[in-house]
Amino acid sequence: DAKTTQPPSMDCAEGRAANLPCNHSTISGNEYVYWYRQIHSQGPQYIIHGLKNNETNEMASLIITEDRKSSTLILPHATLRDTAVYYCIVRADDNYGQNFVFGPGTRLSVLP
Amino acid sequence: GAGVSQSPRYKVAKRGQDVALRCDPISGHVSLFWYQQALGQGPEFLTYFQNEAQLDKSGLPSDRFFAERPEGSVSTLKIQRTQQEDSAVYLCASSLWSIYGGTEAFFGQGTRLTVV
Repeated sequence: DAKTTQPPSMDCAEGRAANLPCNHSTISGNEYVYWYRQIHSQGPQYIIHGLKNNETNEMASLIITEDRKSSTLILPHATLRDTAVYYCIVRADDNYGQNFVFGPGTRLSVLP
Repeated sequence: GAGVSQSPRYKVAKRGQDVALRCDPISGHVSLFWYQQALGQGPEFLTYFQNEAQLDKSGLPSDRFFAERPEGSVSTLKIQRTQQEDSAVYLCASSLWSIYGGTEAFFGQGTRLTVV
C-alpha cells in the first residue's frame, strides 16, 4: 500500500502556481519523498525528490515540512501541458532495492 | 538512445498466446523495475533487478509471469498463456544505484498489451 495521501483532484488556472500537497505521516528517517507525473498515454515522468531540505529544479520546487510528515510540490507557472496525474511516493534508500509504490495520485487540471 | 526504450509499443495477443515484452534501460543503470498499469489505476510493482539478479518478484501476479535480465542490461518480461485480465500497460524503469540512496528512476513509454 502507498504510504502517502493526496487529494484525488485539483484545478489550477494557467499561469498560476500549482501547489500539490502530500501527507506522509509515517515516513521513516531514511525515506526520500519523490514526485512523478503521468500525462495520458505516457510513462511516469520524474519531477523531483528530496530527503529533508527543500529542493528546486527546472521543473518544480519541493517543500518538505520540518517534521517531514508532509510536503508540497510547487509548479510555479502552470501551463496546459502540466495537466497530468501527479504521484507522491516515499521510498527508502537503494540498499533495500525498494520499489516505487504508486498510489492513486492527484489529477491536476490546468484551466485556460 | 537517452531514455528507457520499450518494445513493442502495442501488442495484441489472442487468449492463450505467449508474449514477450522487451526493455532497454538507460546505459549503466544497475536497477531495473517492471510495473503493470491497468486502465485508470496507478502503476503496480511487478519485479526488480539489480544487475542480473532478480531481487524481488513479489509483485508478479502468477507463475505465468516471468522476467529475466541475463546480462544485466536488457530485460524481458514474458507472459505465458495470456488471459484477458493481463490486458494492461507494462512499464519498465531503470535507475542508478547508490549506497546512500536517493536515486531517481526513469520510466519508458510502456507496452500496451491487449488480450482478445
